[in-house]
Amino acid sequence: QVQLVQSGPEVRKPGASVKVSCKASGYPFPSYGIAWVRQATGQGLEWMGWISVYNGNTNYAQRFHDRVTMTTDTSTTTAYMELRSLRSDDTAVYYCARRGGFSDFWGQGTLVTVSS
Amino acid sequence: EIVMTQSPATLSVSPGERATLSCRASQSVNSDLAWYQQKPGQAPRLLIYGASTRATGIPARFSGSGSGTEFTLTISSLQSEDFAVFYCQQYNDWPREYTFGQGTKLEIK
Repeated sequence: QVQLVQSGPEVRKPGASVKVSCKASGYPFPSYGIAWVRQATGQGLEWMGWISVYNGNTNYAQRFHDRVTMTTDTSTTTAYMELRSLRSDDTAVYYCARRGGFSDFWGQGTLVTVSS
Repeated sequence: EIVMTQSPATLSVSPGERATLSCRASQSVNSDLAWYQQKPGQAPRLLIYGASTRATGIPARFSGSGSGTEFTLTISSLQSEDFAVFYCQQYNDWPREYTFGQGTKLEIK
């Protein structure tokens, strides 16, 4: 069965970076893109961008384009999302999800807390 | 960026009744519209894509309709497990941004 398993919770200070991983299994990894979506506590879903696993092409939401990098490692079927220059309002649960348009399978989420 | 607006923000419906949720796009997204359900502490779950196609395993009481800028999610006979927050998402704005609506909370009346 399709599974996306994300790395554990992270705590960072303002200005630092965080890198979240997403291990995919149960399907041919290069056949689908990986999207990243975040959700602050009590708030809605915010689409951050996606990466084509097939060719590595990325598409980032404008508000994140200068701070985010999405990558994949096909040898380990793992996707990564790195967010730099963290601020307190980056505190959120970060989800990876299969497919670049609508997303049919989701990871369990990774809580990233930014606090001094 | 295409702005997605959902209404109402909160909808109170009794079990067994019908629920109708709306989603409007600031410009046409054709039929590139998905609906998700999210329960507290869980990841979103895909319900509908292509505006009207149910995802695998989604019960027939969930249906989607619309195209262009106006979309509707209908739950024909609410079950206790259906109460949650629902989000619409457009994925037509390629290659820019695939934006979500702000969500509709469906609560028990």
